Amino acid sequence: AQRVTQPEKLLSVFKGAPVELKCNYSYSGSPELFWYVQYSRQRLQLLLRHISRESIKGFTADLNKGETSFHLKKPFAQEEDSAMYYCALSDPSSASKIIFGSGTRLSIRP
Amino acid sequence: ETGVTQTPRHLVMGMTNKKSLKCEQHLGHNAMYWYKQSAKKPLELMFVYNFKEQTENNSVPSRFSPECPNSSHLFLHLHTLQPEDSALYLCASSQEGLAANTGELFFGEGSRLTVL
Repeated sequence: AQRVTQPEKLLSVFKGAPVELKCNYSYSGSPELFWYVQYSRQRLQLLLRHISRESIKGFTADLNKGETSFHLKKPFAQEEDSAMYYCALSDPSSASKIIFGSGTRLSIRP
Repeated sequence: ETGVTQTPRHLVMGMTNKKSLKCEQHLGHNAMYWYKQSAKKPLELMFVYNFKEQTENNSVPSRFSPECPNSSHLFLHLHTLQPEDSALYLCASSQEGLAANTGELFFGEGSRLTVL
């Protein structure tokens, strides 16, 4: 069965410190992976997607098929990064079904 | 108005009431979704509609009844709910039919439902 696991409910780091939000997935094929973010009082929105190989707001995520992981990283955290982060996957053959993890709340301390 | 709009933003209802949640998208998308977000569980996919046809029902109890009259509107009809159904219900839309799966869902702000 498809599953996305985010083991950390809360991650607190100091401003300027590196950040890594963990995401592991369970899927029999080759899924597409995404990170979504929800800032305070804002709606859930796409942050980045694996297929684009992009860096958004300094964040990157590398797909490791051997470890079935898609961790989100940023070398130097900023206070405005404080938000709820969700890892998600979809089946390329069924673009409609996007499965989310339980989310990690990232808190950046000044 | 642009984006995805959900009404009402807050709803309190008794277990015997019948109410509906409404979602409207102004993005020209042809796929719409209902997700349930509760405090103790991951974001749960409930229903998916593609071109007004339901393509996904994620084992949702029949007390939740979706309706998609056209590609821009999506409803969730609620009847004889239980207190454990209290949650934030999120509507989303996306553009399907593309060669590549962009995976980008556009979410509304949600309807906070409390069942007494």
